[in-house]
Amino acid sequence: AQTVTQSQPEMSVQEAETVTLSCTYDTSESDYYLFWYKQPPSRQMILVIRQEAYKQQNATENRFSVNFQKAAKSFSLKISDSQLGDAAMYFCAYRSPRGGSNYKLTFGKGTLLTVNP
Amino acid sequence: NAGVTQTPKFRILKIGQSMTLQCAQDMNHNYMYWYRQDPGMGLKLIYYSVGAGITDKGEVPNGYNVSRSTTEDFPLRLELAAPSQTSVYFCATSGALLGTNVLTFGAGSRLTVL
Repeated sequence: AQTVTQSQPEMSVQEAETVTLSCTYDTSESDYYLFWYKQPPSRQMILVIRQEAYKQQNATENRFSVNFQKAAKSFSLKISDSQLGDAAMYFCAYRSPRGGSNYKLTFGKGTLLTVNP
Repeated sequence: NAGVTQTPKFRILKIGQSMTLQCAQDMNHNYMYWYRQDPGMGLKLIYYSVGAGITDKGEVPNGYNVSRSTTEDFPLRLELAAPSQTSVYFCATSGALLGTNVLTFGAGSRLTVL
């Protein structure tokens, strides 16, 4: 079974600075999807960024980018120019490309990000 | 475009009571999921469905039941509520085609069992 590990329960960053959140995963599959979700105090789960394992290029969405290291099974999220609105719990998640039960997401325990003004 | 709608948003139950959490989607997605989120933890899968009439257990199904009579609705039933079921519950959906396989979540339902 796949597992996802986020080793940083909490992180903090100064506004306008850059912060990196870590995620590692364990899988025997060669193709899969990885995601970062953001959960603000409203509890809504919001997709931040996704990466297909077959793509070597790291995904980027505006101020958010990932460092995907397939051999190391590492998928870190970099937030540049941090804003107060980035404060939230961030979850790393894994998904198999195969069908049936494998479409489910496996989540890490999350990293709580605080942004200091 | 509502997406995924969960009701109720909040509920307090007494031990032994029953209730149903409702989930409705207008995205025409085949896949639907129920997750629970306990404090300080990630989300754990309770049940999922790959289409109308087809459901299966996830990681933590005990104490819950589901049904999927239509594509749009996927209710989660708690038959005999226990304090261990105090949690935030999320319904999610996804399509089967590339580009639609990202999970879309509802806003969550906070359940407290006293």
